[in-house]
Amino acid sequence: GNSVTQMEGPVTLSEEAFLTINCTYTATGYPSLFWYVQYPGEGLQLLLKATKADDKGSNKGFEATYRKETTSFHLEKGSVQVSDSAVYFCALSESYNQGGKLIFGQGTELSVKP
Amino acid sequence: NAGVTQTPKFRILKIGQSMTLQCTQDMNHNYMYWYRQDPGMGLKLIYYSVGAGITDKGEVPNGYNVSRSTTEDFPLRLELAAPSQTSVYFCASSNPEREGGELFFGEGSRLTVL
Repeated sequence: GNSVTQMEGPVTLSEEAFLTINCTYTATGYPSLFWYVQYPGEGLQLLLKATKADDKGSNKGFEATYRKETTSFHLEKGSVQVSDSAVYFCALSESYNQGGKLIFGQGTELSVKP
Repeated sequence: NAGVTQTPKFRILKIGQSMTLQCTQDMNHNYMYWYRQDPGMGLKLIYYSVGAGITDKGEVPNGYNVSRSTTEDFPLRLELAAPSQTSVYFCASSNPEREGGELFFGEGSRLTVL
């Protein structure tokens, strides 16, 4: 079945450091890929998405490129801020005729220190 | 728009008690989902629905029931609560054909079973 594996946390960085959170997936077909973010005590919010191979999703300085050849969707940011401290989830979507479900990775907790 | 609204936000149950988590959305989405989130485990799908009158099991349905009598509402019922059901529960909705697979999440319901 479909699955998502992401880099284990927690990850601790200093402000303005470069961030990479690795995400790889296993899927039949061509799923859409997502990064969601969960700030402390809140629900999940969409951070960015990509719907086909070689697409780059971007938002708030974060980027991720849909790499079909390596089945990856790594999240990057050039300079993190304290306000980026959160849990980040990589996910893939199953097709709408399979219920449109999202399959999530286990989440990576990021802590950014001033 | 309110989006996806869940109630209650917090609840403590005794072993063997029953309760219903309410979820309503005002985006006219046909697809709705219930996930549970356990520390370090990501989100696991409990049940989902692709339209009023249609429900289906997800990855971890045991101990739960759902119904979908209207497009807007998707309540989750816990019968005979057990400590293993202590978790944070998230309701979500989507329109896969229009929103490109994105799920919209509620703020979560934290349930503790003692």
